[in-house]
This record gives sequence, C-alpha cells and structure tokens, in this order.
Amino acid sequence: AQSVTQPDIHITVSEGASLELRCNYSYGATPYLFWYVQSPGQGLQLLLKYFSGDTLVQGIKGFEAEFKRSQSSFNLRKPSVHWSDAAEYFCAVGPGYGGSQGNLIFGKGTKLSVKP
Amino acid sequence: DAGVIQSPRHEVTEMGQEVTLRCKPISGHDYLFWYRQTMMRGLELLIYFNNNVPIDDSGMPEDRFSAKMPNASFSTLKIQPSEPRDSAVYFCASSGGAFKGGELFFGEGSRLTVL
Repeated sequence: AQSVTQPDIHITVSEGASLELRCNYSYGATPYLFWYVQSPGQGLQLLLKYFSGDTLVQGIKGFEAEFKRSQSSFNLRKPSVHWSDAAEYFCAVGPGYGGSQGNLIFGKGTKLSVKP
Repeated sequence: DAGVIQSPRHEVTEMGQEVTLRCKPISGHDYLFWYRQTMMRGLELLIYFNNNVPIDDSGMPEDRFSAKMPNASFSTLKIQPSEPRDSAVYFCASSGGAFKGGELFFGEGSRLTVL
C-alpha cells in the first residue's frame, strides 16, 4: 500500500539550531517526493521537490532534503532555524513521470515550534 | 500569475443550512483536488477531478457532500444539510499532473464553522 510516515508529530528546536524532519514512504514505482509547509491560517506552500538526479535537493527558505532510495526516506533539513520557520511541515509522495495517478499522498505532518 | 482562488475564506452557518464552497484552479491545470483539514483527522482528500471528470470520490464523507466541476476554471463543493462535525478548513488544489511536475498548488482555504 502507498503511504507516507512522518514519525514526529511535534518537534521543538531552539532558534539557530539545526533541524531534521523525518519522512519515510512506501510506494510501488519510482515516486516524486515533496515537502510542503503550512503556516497558521494559510494554505500549503511547496518547499522543495525531488524528481530524479541529484539526491540532495535545495528548496526555498534555506531548506534542503535528501532522497535515500535504500531507506525509502526523504528527510528535510535546515542548518539554522529561524523563528519564522515555526509551522507545520508535510511530506508527500506522488507518481513519477509517466504515472497516471494525479493525487499526492500526504503524511500527517510535523509541527515545528521554535524557542527563542 | 494568479494562484488557486477559493471563496469564501470564512463561512459561519447554522446546522441544516446548505454550504457552497468555490474554487478557481490555476489556468492550464488538468487536475483539481478538494481536501478537508481538521485537528483530529489532519489533511484528508475528499475528491479529485481530471479534465473536469471526477476520478476518485472515495473520500467524500457521505451523501450530504457533493462536488462538481462544470468547466476547467471552476469547481464547487456543496454540503447539504450541514452539520457541526463538518466544521473544518476546506482546501482546493490544482495540478498539471505528473507530466508537468506533479506538485499541487493550494488555495488559502475556506474555513467553515457550522453552529
């Protein structure tokens, strides 16, 4: 079955500390992978995506993610967290190029709190 | 370049009333999605369309919910009659599909409160 697991429901980090949010997926074919961020009262905004090629992808706001096929993981990282990064983060997986299915499968999200 | 546009942003209604939520997808996108987000259940896919045709409506809670897409630039999600448990944020999203990158673009959501 296709699924996305974000094992951490809530993470708190200090401002300036590094961050890693975990994401594991189960998907039959080679998928596309995404991270979205949702600030309070807002819709989901795409942070970054992986399609193919270099397994380390850069996104907006200083975020990066690394695709590890052997571990079925796509963890999100940021070297130094800012207070404005406090939000909820969603990992998602979708069909790779040539896939016919249109929808993405989302994880349940990880809420990030930032301590001053 | 306009994103996904949803209306209304906020809706407060009384139990039993009809609610209609509206969505205008990004021009050129072939896929349109309706999601519901609550604290308890997180982000749930309700239904999605491809080229205006409903593809998967297995997430629609019950017959009180219906969705239509009469043309490529407009979709509605209707709840009739509404109940307090329908209170949630409803998101519309659109996509060009896997051949165009696969990512979903979300609207800002419609916050529904049913009293």
